[in-house]
Amino acid sequence: GQNIDQPTEMTATEGAIVQINCTYQTSGFNGLFWYQQHAGEAPTFLSYNVLDGLEEKGRFSSFLSRSKGYSYLLLKELQMKDSASYLCAVRDSNYQLIWGAGTKLIIKP
Amino acid sequence: IAGITQAPTSQILAAGRRMTLRCTQDMRHNAMYWYRQDLGLGLRLIHYSNTAGTTGKGEVPDGYSVSRANTDDFPLTLASAVPSQTSVYFCASSVNSNQPQHFGDGTRLSIL
Repeated sequence: GQNIDQPTEMTATEGAIVQINCTYQTSGFNGLFWYQQHAGEAPTFLSYNVLDGLEEKGRFSSFLSRSKGYSYLLLKELQMKDSASYLCAVRDSNYQLIWGAGTKLIIKP
Repeated sequence: IAGITQAPTSQILAAGRRMTLRCTQDMRHNAMYWYRQDLGLGLRLIHYSNTAGTTGKGEVPDGYSVSRANTDDFPLTLASAVPSQTSVYFCASSVNSNQPQHFGDGTRLSIL
């Protein structure tokens, strides 16, 4: 079966750095996506990795290791507005997205 | 403002009733998707369409049907609603199946 694992919840302090991990087992791999979803709102696209390595986009970076079936999202200089759920999704061999349940990130002052 | 519009925003429906959730995008995206999101679970794909005139089944298609008569519209129909279909429904679109998906604001549906 196909499976995406993420921690259910994490807590971090404003101004700090947090790393949200995602491990996956899917039928094929055609890229990994990270989305942000604030409570009661729609998911919004953050990053995309298809090759191994680090993709940096401002305060957010995403890393991929295809051999390990592993990715992480790194958030730097945390702000209160970063409190949200972060969703990891893998595009499988059928080019459909398989989604993790999401990691709820709580930022404390 | 370009984007995806879903209607209604929320709905309470009696079991056994028929319901159509509407989704319209003005970005001329080829691919469109319907997901449901339930607490503690990831988004689950119901149906998708890679281009106007074609549709496909996702992970949880039973009890739902879709049509794609043109590029902009992708309605989702529950023929006879059941309480297990209580969920938040998101419509999404992308330029094609290779590109990131953009989501509508969702429809919160309660079946009693």
